[in-house]
Amino acid sequence: SAVISQKPSRDICQRGTSLTIQCQVDSQVTMMFWYRQQPGQSLTLIATANQGSEATYESGFVIDKFPISRPNLTFSTLTVSNMSPEDSSIYLCSVEISGSYEQSFGPGTRLTVT
Amino acid sequence: AQSVAQPEDQVNVAEGNPLTVKCTYSVSGNPYLFWYVQYPNRGLQFLLKYITGDNLVKGSYGFEAEFNKSQTSFHLKKPSALVSDSALYFCAVRDNTNAGKSTFGDGTTLTVKP
Repeated sequence: SAVISQKPSRDICQRGTSLTIQCQVDSQVTMMFWYRQQPGQSLTLIATANQGSEATYESGFVIDKFPISRPNLTFSTLTVSNMSPEDSSIYLCSVEISGSYEQSFGPGTRLTVT
Repeated sequence: AQSVAQPEDQVNVAEGNPLTVKCTYSVSGNPYLFWYVQYPNRGLQFLLKYITGDNLVKGSYGFEAEFNKSQTSFHLKKPSALVSDSALYFCAVRDNTNAGKSTFGDGTTLTVKP
């Protein structure tokens, strides 16, 4: 499995501001994903972070609201822009271990928007 | 489109008894199936997977799952439950393309009582 760190671990932000979440992996990986999870509920895929090209967004998520960068095979950022209370959630970064198909997950970033 | 259903929000068992957490899936082509576990205040962890081969797969912490193609099911089982198994369990299906996107079930909370 891969070891994944996320920064910040939690934050409380004001409505209308933006927050950038960082995801660092201890090895080079091809596939990296960003999810959103309400506590105790299922995971919703936001986008696939593609190295060297634009992220692939799922239905209901757009680049203007959730811009993603992936400058190399070990790092990605997700920005939550112009935040509203509805954006309060846990944001998870994950990677797929090459050849195994299983995912390793970061510890998550707990975001509260007031 | 692929989907996963976990019909039980909650499963309660007594310590030492066998446990089953149910999962059914829908996917085009051959399914790649996974179970993940989320312990309280901890990150999501991979438990086991079915990609191909034997229908009974064994994973971490004594868990196993049986792939049943005719019933499109992938139920998680353990012969003897421990209190420490209490957690939130997610079934997931991955598409078998290079996109590698996974869809997660809504989760089942397992509570093992002493």
